[in-house]
Amino acid sequence: AQSVAQPEDQVNVAEGNPLTVKCTYSVSGNPYLFWYVQYPNRGLQFLLKYITGDNLVKGSYGFEAEFNKSQTSFHLKKPSALVSDSALYFCAVSSPSGAGSYQLTFGKGTKLSVIP
Amino acid sequence: GAVVSQHPSRVICKSGTSVKIECRSLDFQATTMFWYRQFPKQSLMLMATSNEGSKATYEQGVEKDKFLINHASLTLSTLTVTSAHPEDSSFYICSASQGASYTEAFFGQGTRLTVV
Repeated sequence: AQSVAQPEDQVNVAEGNPLTVKCTYSVSGNPYLFWYVQYPNRGLQFLLKYITGDNLVKGSYGFEAEFNKSQTSFHLKKPSALVSDSALYFCAVSSPSGAGSYQLTFGKGTKLSVIP
Repeated sequence: GAVVSQHPSRVICKSGTSVKIECRSLDFQATTMFWYRQFPKQSLMLMATSNEGSKATYEQGVEKDKFLINHASLTLSTLTVTSAHPEDSSFYICSASQGASYTEAFFGQGTRLTVV
């Protein structure tokens, strides 16, 4: 079974500082990895994905993530945080090689608070 | 990007009544749609997967007679919560995939259901 771990329930960062939201995964086969952001009482907005190719993936709103196969990690990063980045962030994984492979498995989410 | 519209965004109903939530893909054909439930401050839990024209596949522990899913067309899936109970109060989110070449799911805005 595939799984995702987001070890931090909450991350606080000062505006203008770099931010990192951590994610590790477990999956049989090659992983498809995703980051989504959720604002209160809203659905999920897609930020970026890793399917294949360059390990560093750039996405929406200045976010990027680095796929590290040896560490099975896919941490989300941004060089300079904005107050408007404050939201709930979900990491997700799916795999093309197993039964039910199109299903996304989500981490529990990390609440990011950017302090002015 | 592809747009998924979910309606209604909020609904309040009385115990014992049924509520229908619609999920529409506006600019693509969604061969597969997913329904999730999200409890406060928790991750998304997959309830069921529906493929157009066939019966939905429910996750373990999800009552198929209570949560009726219909995916009658390539652009519409509905979730009906039957005989609603206060414990069914939650945030329900749908997502849609374009199928065999799936690498990304597009999410609706979510529906906040409150059963009183």
